[in-house]
Parts: sequence; structure tokens; C-alpha cells
Amino acid sequence: KNQVEQSPQSLIILEGKNCTLQCNYTVSPFSNLRWYKQDTGRGPVSLTIMTFSENTKSNGRYTATLDADTKQSSLHITASQLSDSASYICVVSAGVTGGGNKLTFGTGTQLKVEL
Amino acid sequence: DTEVTQTPKHLVMGMTNKKSLKCEQHMGHRAMYWYKQKAKKPPELMFVYSYEKLSINESVPSRFSPECPNSSLLNLHLHALQPEDSALYLCASSHEVADTQYFGPGTRLTVL
Repeated sequence: KNQVEQSPQSLIILEGKNCTLQCNYTVSPFSNLRWYKQDTGRGPVSLTIMTFSENTKSNGRYTATLDADTKQSSLHITASQLSDSASYICVVSAGVTGGGNKLTFGTGTQLKVEL
Repeated sequence: DTEVTQTPKHLVMGMTNKKSLKCEQHMGHRAMYWYKQKAKKPPELMFVYSYEKLSINESVPSRFSPECPNSSLLNLHLHALQPEDSALYLCASSHEVADTQYFGPGTRLTVL
């Protein structure tokens, strides 16, 4: 069964600090991995997408890493801002028979940035 | 235009009502999706449309009826819902089924 697990479940940090969110997956066959940011009551917004051959991808203060061997990904946020407070969801895509992909969503990490 | 719009933003309905949720995108995407999201849970896929045809129905109860009138529009018709159907309903679109999905802001549905 395809699964995506994220840790920690929730995290509180001070503004300006860095943090790292973890994602472990058991999805096969792996197609790609995405990190989304979801503000409360809003739809998720894509931050990064990584394929099997990519190890690191950055988007501003967000840097995602992927280790396809250990099936782990991380999202590092540098110099956090109050607006980073949100749920961060790891989504792994698996190829399906006949074409297309099936997404498996992680349960998310709820990040709160405080003054 | 790089966004997915959804209407209404909020909806309160009784269990005997009939209502519809609407989703629109003008990015030329050929895949559109409906998700249901309960509080503090990840989105759960309900339906996938590809080239205006229903390609995936994740065993969703028939009280939810999707419709794709054209490549830019996706509706979700609601009838005889239950209080446990209260949730945030998200629409998403992607260029093709395999591509990155762009989500709308969602409709917050409350069933009384």
C-alpha cells in the first residue's frame, strides 16, 4: 500500500529561524514528489516538484531534497517569516497501469512561526 | 490567468437541499479534480476528469455528482447530503493528469 508519512506533525519556531520538515514514503513505482503549502481554509500551493534524478531543488527560501534510495525527502525553510505559518504537505506520485499517475498525500506538518 | 477559481466560498445547506459547487480555470488544462478535505487531514481525491471525461471515481457516494460541461468548467452537484459531508471541497487542475496540480481556494461546505 502506498503511504506518505510526515514529521513532525506540528512545529513552532521563532521568526528568523530555520526549520526542516521530513517526508518518508513507500510509493511504487515512484514518479515524482511535490511539496505543497496550504494556508488555513485555502487550497494547497505547489512549492517544488522533484523527479527521481533530482536531489535538490530550491524555490526562494524553500529548499527540498530527495533521496530516492532511502525514499526520504525534506523541506528546509530558511529565515522563517510569520507568513510561513501553514500546513506543508508532501505529495508523492506513482505511475499507474495504463498511464497517468496516482497521488498519495501525506498528513502534513503544521508550522507556526511566532515573534 | 494562472488560477483556479471556485464558487461559492462558503455554503450552508440542509440535508434535503440541492446545491452545486463550481470550479473554473482558463489555463488550458485538460485534467480537473475534486477533493474533499476534513480539518487537519490531507485532501482526499473524489473525481478526476481528463479531456472532459470522467476517468476516476474514488467510490464516492451518488449524492455527489460531478459534471464537466467544457474544458474550463467543473461542477459538483450535491443532493441529500449528510452532516458528515461537511468539509472543504477543493478543485484542482493540471495540464495533463500526470502534471502538477493547481488548487482553487476551496468551498467551505456545512451540512445541517
